[in-house]
Amino acid sequence: GESVGLHLPTLSVQEGDNSIINCAYSNSASDYFIWYKQESGKGPQFIIDIRSNMDKRQGQRVTVLLNKTVKHLSLQIAATQPGDSAVYFCAEIPRQAGTALIFGKGTTLSVSS
Amino acid sequence: DTGVSQDPRHKITKRGQNVTFRCDPISEHNRLYWYRQTLGQGPEFLTYFQNEAQLEKSRLLSDRFSAERPKGSFSTLEIQRTEQGDSAMYLCASSLGRLNTYGYTFGSGTRLTVV
Repeated sequence: GESVGLHLPTLSVQEGDNSIINCAYSNSASDYFIWYKQESGKGPQFIIDIRSNMDKRQGQRVTVLLNKTVKHLSLQIAATQPGDSAVYFCAEIPRQAGTALIFGKGTTLSVSS
Repeated sequence: DTGVSQDPRHKITKRGQNVTFRCDPISEHNRLYWYRQTLGQGPEFLTYFQNEAQLEKSRLLSDRFSAERPKGSFSTLEIQRTEQGDSAMYLCASSLGRLNTYGYTFGSGTRLTVV
């Protein structure tokens, strides 16, 4: 079936670096995308979202880019901090009414100080 | 209202026993979702309610699983005759509508271990 996937299972960065986490999605009918952060033993926590009529959206230290031509989503974290260490998931909502979030497999971000 | 609450946080049960989990969503949210997450994987959709109506069920939701949301408030997920393969984190989420600013709010989950 169609699903959202992430390119790299792990990413290691130094504190203060910028991090880029990538995601490829396959459902061209999806019209809403969300990035979640999940720390050990906790549920996914909303980071930022973007709708399919946008290419870019910025939040506090985070930016999401959407390239619908190649069906690619990325999360950029500026000045990465140790507290950013977690598993990051992208998720999509297909346009069909009632269909829930579909998650990818996640990227584990490790930030060393 | 401090978010989505799930109870219990952890449950250990013997194979063949029945278990029930509870989810209390954010009070004004009309949509409630159940997901299952195994180690190293993303959450997998199980079922979704809009108010008290169960509108969608994944094929992952075998006939041993049943979910209810009486009165459109809290929800319960019951697993009958548990199997070791049911061991996972069961997550509940809620939202106000389909496309909601701040996405879907998740609870901290119930970790089920079947021995």
